[in-house]
This record gives sequence, C-alpha cells and structure tokens, in this order.
Amino acid sequence: ELKVEQNPLFLSMQEGKNYTIYCNYSTTSDRLYWYRQDPGKSLESLFVLLSNGAVKQEGRLMASLDTKARLSTLHITAAVHDLSATYFCAAATQETSGSRLTFGEGTQLTVNP
Amino acid sequence: NAGVTQTPKFRVLKTGQSMTLLCAQDMNHEYMYWYRQDPGMGLRLIHYSVGEGTTAKGEVPDGYNVSRLKKQNFLLGLESAAPSQTSVYFCASLSGRSDNEQFFGPGTRLTVL
Repeated sequence: ELKVEQNPLFLSMQEGKNYTIYCNYSTTSDRLYWYRQDPGKSLESLFVLLSNGAVKQEGRLMASLDTKARLSTLHITAAVHDLSATYFCAAATQETSGSRLTFGEGTQLTVNP
Repeated sequence: NAGVTQTPKFRVLKTGQSMTLLCAQDMNHEYMYWYRQDPGMGLRLIHYSVGEGTTAKGEVPDGYNVSRLKKQNFLLGLESAAPSQTSVYFCASLSGRSDNEQFFGPGTRLTVL
C-alpha cells in the first residue's frame, strides 16, 4: 500500500527567505503531483512530475522528483505573503482497476512579513 | 468550459438520512474520483471510476456508494448518513492523456447531525 509523507506539516517563514517542503512515498509511483489549497477553497494544481529528474518551475516555486529516492521536493524562493496556503503532494499508482492518487497530509505554510 | 462542478455546495443532514452528491465534468475525462477531506488528514480516496459503467473502492469506501452511468457524471451516495461522515467532499477528474493533470471541483461541505 502506497503511503505518502510530507514534512514539515507546519512551516512559518519570513518573507524573502527560502525553504523546501519534502514529500516521501513508500512504493514505486509513476507520477507525483503538487497542489495548493487556500482556506475554504478547492485544490489548485501546481505541478505534475512524470519522470526521474523532472524539474518544473513556476514563479517562486520549483518542484523536483527523484524516483530512486522516492522523494519529491517543493522549493520556495524568496517567499512572499501570497504563498501562504496548504501544499499537498500526491503520488500516483497504476492499479488493475485504474490510476489512483494517494495524498500526503499537507504542509501548512505561513509567510510572515 | 466549466471544468469540474459539484452540487450541492453545502448540506446538513440528520443521522440516518440519505443523499446523493453529483459531480460533473465537461473535459471528456476518463477517470473520476471522490475524496473526503478532514482536518489534519489530507485527502482520502473514497471511490473512483476509470470509465463509464465502472467503479472501484478507494481507501475509505464504507458507508458510500457510487455510480457512473454517464462518462461526464459521477454520483456519490450516502444511504444512511452518520456523524462520522461530516466532512468536505471533493470530486476530481483526470485526463488519462500524457499530461495526466487532475482537476478538482469546488467541494461540498456536509454536516451530519
């Protein structure tokens, strides 16, 4: 059974600082997703990582995937208050009944001025 | 293009009542999913479907039933609601193409008294 662990679960950082959120998964996965969720809102897709060594960047966020280590990272560069949200990673597996995602618990990020 | 829509947005039930949540997508996606989100637990998969007429159990299927009679719709039913089913329910669809992006609906907030 696939398990996904994120750390840290809570992160408070100052504007302008850099930090990394880690996502570990327990068994082979063919895709890794990152999502953002604002309070009371739905999940917004940030990145889909499809292969070992994949790196994607959007603004101050950069995600990478190491399938050998079963690890994905979400790096935040020069944080701004607007990045405050909860970030989820999810690993996908292909079952006989189809493709399914398993989510981590989420990392609640607060960026302070 | 509405993406993924859910109805209703809010609902309050009494223990033992039944209801159906409707999810609709207009992106011609093959895969559809129902998740529940509880505080501190991330998203947990209830049931999913890889195509019209097919469904499969996720992590927490007990107390729920689903149907996918049309490709664009995925229904989640609660036959006899319990307070433990108080949660926010999200529907999602996934393209199954190479981009593999998963889109979420806005959510349904359900309270069972």
